[in-house]
Amino acid sequence: RKEVEQDPGPFNVPEGATVAFNCTYSNSASQSFFWYRQDCRKEPKLLMSVYSSGNEDGRFTAQLNRASQYISLLIRDSKLSDSATYLCVVPAAGNKLTFGGGTRVLVKP
Amino acid sequence: DGGITQSPKYLFRKEGQNVTLSCEQNLNHDAMYWYRQDPGQGLRLIYYSQIVNDFQKGDIAEGYSVSREKKESFPLTVTSAQKNPTAFYLCASSIGGDSPLHFGNGTRLTVT
Repeated sequence: RKEVEQDPGPFNVPEGATVAFNCTYSNSASQSFFWYRQDCRKEPKLLMSVYSSGNEDGRFTAQLNRASQYISLLIRDSKLSDSATYLCVVPAAGNKLTFGGGTRVLVKP
Repeated sequence: DGGITQSPKYLFRKEGQNVTLSCEQNLNHDAMYWYRQDPGQGLRLIYYSQIVNDFQKGDIAEGYSVSREKKESFPLTVTSAQKNPTAFYLCASSIGGDSPLHFGNGTRLTVT
């Protein structure tokens, strides 16, 4: 099993709809998790940090399921500008921060 | 303004040449990282350093070397031993521990 896995998508989402996708991880000792947004040919930018069961920031909600070892990201009322690749990051042993392959989201009018 | 600076933004080299990518941060962060990204792929960890004068191999360290002589600087050398060096290289830093990463703008390396 890979250390961090994501569904690559693309998730085609109508504008205004809700979309959710998961990130599974193998290191059960991980305590913190991060979601990043990456636009085409740009550097990733931090979207949200998750240190406990979840976090919410406006239209974005992250939830952590430790028992099943996955974190999810939910986007409500999707905007065209939400089109991007969403990367999850999970610390592995020795503070090695490992990225998933990313989930591509395309919001369409 | 505090941040991470990678230079140059675009770099072209001939096969067989070593090339060094610069990464400087003025965030006073202890930890620094180098990642490689290929088209349509996620980020893969090359090397990371949690403190000055110490660094560890990541998942794809072969063909790369780094140094961490100063807290602010973490240069990456792509050697001729790296079989497929053409990629987007991203440098990042963090306070350390469970803290998130802050990224530079990246360097696009093309080797022909």
